[in-house]
Amino acid sequence: EVQLVESGGALVQPGGSLRLPCAVSGFTLSSYWMHWVRQAPGKGLVWVSRINSDGSSTSYADSVKGRFTISRDNAKNTLYLQMNSLRVEDTAVYYCTREYGSYGYYFDYWGQGTLVTVSS
Amino acid sequence: DIQMTQSPSSLSSSVGDRVIITCRASQSISNYLNWYHQKPGKAPKLLIYAASSLQSGVPSRFSGSGSGTDFTLTISSLQPEDFATYYCQQSYNTPRTFGQGTKVEIK
Repeated sequence: EVQLVESGGALVQPGGSLRLPCAVSGFTLSSYWMHWVRQAPGKGLVWVSRINSDGSSTSYADSVKGRFTISRDNAKNTLYLQMNSLRVEDTAVYYCTREYGSYGYYFDYWGQGTLVTVSS
Repeated sequence: DIQMTQSPSSLSSSVGDRVIITCRASQSISNYLNWYHQKPGKAPKLLIYAASSLQSGVPSRFSGSGSGTDFTLTISSLQPEDFATYYCQQSYNTPRTFGQGTKVEIK
């Protein structure tokens, strides 16, 4: 059974840092591109970042570029999102998701999400 | 970035109704269009990929169509478990972008 489990969400002050791990099981992490998507309270889904299968290529939304870093440890079956210089507007549930690429590209499995609250 | 615009933003329907949600891309995305739905407090769930392909395990009352810039999601007969928020998403390029969502509520 495919599973993605995020953790690390917390209440943090503006300017603080947080690292979110996403532990995966039931599939070979090294075969897939992985993404982070976030959802502010009561709002829609917003793409945050993606990393290719071996970690050699990453991409970020303009709103987090230079502050967030996506990485992966395929041997540990874990995806990460390092979040620095956090802002109030980064408050959201953060989801990790697997992108399947065969006929098209789509997010076929999602974690349950972890809540990050940035507030003083 | 490719902008995705859904309509309507919300709708009220009854069980058994046919529901149609539309999604428009700001440029052509071929058929790189996916649909998800999300219930409160839960993660999104994939319904349709590549504009018209039904994800495994998803009921056949869900269907998708379109290509280029204009797409539709149709629920042929709305069921109680279908009341949720629906999102389209393009995978033509990065950044992947979502529509703003369509909330389907009970009339």
